[in-house]
Amino acid sequence: AQSVTQLDSQVPVFEEAPVELRCNYSSSVSVYLFWYVQYPNQGLQLLLKYLSGSTLVKGINGFEAEFNKSQTSFHLRKPSVHISDTAEYFCAVTPAGMNRDDKIIFGKGTRLHILP
Amino acid sequence: KAGVTQTPRYLIKTRGQQVTLSCSPISGHRSVSWYQQTPGQGLQFLFEYFSETQRNKGNFPGRFSGRQFSNSRSEMNVSTLELGDSALYLCASRSGNLNTEAFFGQGTRLTVV
Repeated sequence: AQSVTQLDSQVPVFEEAPVELRCNYSSSVSVYLFWYVQYPNQGLQLLLKYLSGSTLVKGINGFEAEFNKSQTSFHLRKPSVHISDTAEYFCAVTPAGMNRDDKIIFGKGTRLHILP
Repeated sequence: KAGVTQTPRYLIKTRGQQVTLSCSPISGHRSVSWYQQTPGQGLQFLFEYFSETQRNKGNFPGRFSGRQFSNSRSEMNVSTLELGDSALYLCASRSGNLNTEAFFGQGTRLTVV
């Protein structure tokens, strides 16, 4: 089975400053990894995904994440945040390829607060 | 292509009642998953349906059930509602061929009073 740990429940950061949201996962098989964003009263929107290949993945809204297999991490970064990035961010994992136990498991989320 | 549609968006029910939520996935997607989101517990997996069969099930009591129709639309039912069932219920659609990303609806906000 897989699990995801988001180390910070809340992250405050000043506008135009860089930010890193941390995510660690646990799995005995190869995985696909995702970051989703949720704005208030909305569903989840995919920011980026890692399936295979380059470990540095670029997503929408200027976000990127780096897959580190040895550290089982998939941290999300943005070099300069904006007020509009205020939202909750979820890291998620699922077994790679076709697998019977293939549900997507989500972390508990990190609430990003942008300070003016 | 239309996105994932969940109805209704908001619902208020009384304790002890039952409720049915609906989800229409993206056209061509055969997998529908349901999640319960609460402030304290985050996103918890309820179940997944693929081609009308339940493929995975989370750790929820039997009061929570679901089904999927031949057109891939899915319904989720909660019987004998409890106050603790108040949550945002999210439906996610996947193609089902590979374990790729899920596309989410806007959710149904259920309040049990």
